[in-house]
Amino acid sequence: ELKVEQNPLFLSMQEGKNYTIYCNYSTTSDRLYWYRQDPGKSLESLFVLLSNGAVKQEGRLMASLDTKARLSTLHITAAVHDLSATYFCAVNFMEYGNKLVFGAGTILRVKS
Amino acid sequence: NAGVTQTPKFQVLKTGQSMTLQCAQDMNHEYMSWYRQDPGMGLRLIHYSVGAGITDQGEVPNGYNVSRSTTEDFPLRLLSAAPSQTSVYFCASSLTGGLSGANVLTFGAGSRLTVL
Repeated sequence: ELKVEQNPLFLSMQEGKNYTIYCNYSTTSDRLYWYRQDPGKSLESLFVLLSNGAVKQEGRLMASLDTKARLSTLHITAAVHDLSATYFCAVNFMEYGNKLVFGAGTILRVKS
Repeated sequence: NAGVTQTPKFQVLKTGQSMTLQCAQDMNHEYMSWYRQDPGMGLRLIHYSVGAGITDQGEVPNGYNVSRSTTEDFPLRLLSAAPSQTSVYFCASSLTGGLSGANVLTFGAGSRLTVL
């Protein structure tokens, strides 16, 4: 079965703190995506990770991929209120007809 | 550049009614897809298309039909609406269906459907 599990599903954090969101997946993948969704809005692409050890950074967000562990992390550094959103990882399973499976999403609330 | 345009943004239906959610993209993307988003379940693929005239089922296709007569348009039809179809629907497109490059999906703004 193709599974993508995110944790935590809900994260409340203080401004200035660091935290990590985890994305585990069940079988071999060739690429992994992180998306952001603001309340009532659509999804926008944050990162695409294409190979083992890939690291991408944009502002206070850094994503990494460990294909051997089937794990991606989204690290938040010194959180600010503007980062409050829902974050989804999505995994492309190439051996299953390039099926893209989304995680359940992590709701992030950054408190001032 | 409009990107992916979905209409309507909101719709209320009665059980048994039919309707069509429209999706159009102006980026000459080959791949188009429909997802539904339900709380705590992420996005689930309903149907997708890798090019004009080609469609296939995703994870939750029952109760929905699609067609792809042009590259630009990919409408989603609800044949006989049920309360279980109450959800937020997103249309998304990418340059190709996944065999090359990063293939990042571009999403429409979403359509919130309520079935009473």
